[in-house]
Amino acid sequence: GENVEQHPSTLSVQEGDSAVIKCTYSDSASNYFPWYKQELGKRPQLIIDIRSNVGEKKDQRIAVTLNKTAKHFSLHITETQPEDSAVYFCAASTGGGYQKVTFGTGTKLQVIP
Amino acid sequence: DGGITQSPKYLFRKEGQNVTLSCEQNLNHDAMYWYRQDPGQGLRLIYYSQIVNDFQKGDIAEGYSVSREKKESFPLTVTSAQKNPTAFYLCASRTGGWDTEAFFGQGTRLTVV
Repeated sequence: GENVEQHPSTLSVQEGDSAVIKCTYSDSASNYFPWYKQELGKRPQLIIDIRSNVGEKKDQRIAVTLNKTAKHFSLHITETQPEDSAVYFCAASTGGGYQKVTFGTGTKLQVIP
Repeated sequence: DGGITQSPKYLFRKEGQNVTLSCEQNLNHDAMYWYRQDPGQGLRLIYYSQIVNDFQKGDIAEGYSVSREKKESFPLTVTSAQKNPTAFYLCASRTGGWDTEAFFGQGTRLTVV
């Protein structure tokens, strides 16, 4: 089955700096890669996603890149703000009959004012 | 509030007892999922269901059971066979498409006393 590894597990950055979280996946059939943000005490919510036919996607201060050959994808947050502090999860999903969504282990991001 | 409701928010269980966690959605989503969240281990898939009366084991199904008698409902039973049931449980749903967002409930924190 699919295995998603995520690094680092914790990340501290100064406000205004950039943050990068990296994930690798094992199943070459995976074709959809969402990122979720979970603030303390709240439910995970989708912040950005990328499909396998695209190499990069941006939405304001966040961007995701995908390297299908190497089977890894990354989340980039620029100009970090204290409200970016949260746990971030990457995930991978395949199409087809049974559509499992497999999550990484999470990255706790702390933005220091 | 997001269209997917989990109850109760907090649940206490005595060792040796079965307990059922409720998950209801009014989003008309076909697929539903149960995840377990433990510190440092991310979201691990317990069971998932693509359609009514059909469900599949996830990565950590031992000691759990589910049913999907209605499209709106996907209850999870934590049985006495689950050796370490204390955890935060999240239910999610999404439409049948392979590249669609998963919407999460607010979670149930189960504690074995």
